Amino acid sequence: KAGVTQTPRYLIKTRGQQVTLSCSPISGHRSVSWYQQTPGQGLQFLFEYFSETQRNKGNFPGRFSGRQFSNSRSEMNVSTLELGDSALYLCASSLVERAAAFFGQGTRLTVV
Amino acid sequence: DQQVKQNSPSLSVQEGRISILNCDYTNSMFDYFLWYKKYPAEGPTFLISISSIKDKNEDGRFTVFLNKSAKHLSLHIVPSQPGDSAVYFCAGSTTSGTYKYIFGTGTRLKVLA
Repeated sequence: KAGVTQTPRYLIKTRGQQVTLSCSPISGHRSVSWYQQTPGQGLQFLFEYFSETQRNKGNFPGRFSGRQFSNSRSEMNVSTLELGDSALYLCASSLVERAAAFFGQGTRLTVV
Repeated sequence: DQQVKQNSPSLSVQEGRISILNCDYTNSMFDYFLWYKKYPAEGPTFLISISSIKDKNEDGRFTVFLNKSAKHLSLHIVPSQPGDSAVYFCAGSTTSGTYKYIFGTGTRLKVLA
């Protein structure tokens, strides 16, 4: 069974640009969550989707948005990139609520 | 507001000895906790969980203890092995509304051979 797949693995963008990250959850998993990991900040919760509906959102500005498609695949978008957005973005999927989530390898975003 | 705190950024332990990783939380509504392990360039991997109705959960070399009155949990690894060297994250969640996991900042464990 394939794990959580995130693409691309690495990205370099310029300040002011926008970026879209993709996540394919484990087959059958309907819950997808996104996290930002930066040194010293741990994993900061961005948002969670279940059956195409955003059910929960973390404390991030509106520049961060996401969506989930009918096949449970999810995308995350960051507009007007800032240097501070440089981070590892992790996607996690789970079969049901509260179940332990399985993480992808992440997308390393560098904003220059 | 950091609701989950891992106050030790790093820990070194000799191979074969016990590793104890600590985690404190402030949200009294948290009722389910997870521990994850993360190697460089990989996503976190689920290790073990504990519900607030228990005070201990064991899985092989890994045991998690929960002290609800102190809002404290700890992960014990016995015996520690060099392959356990990684960053460990604890996370808590609540049943209020839709769930989300709040993670700590992680503790880097180094097991010395």
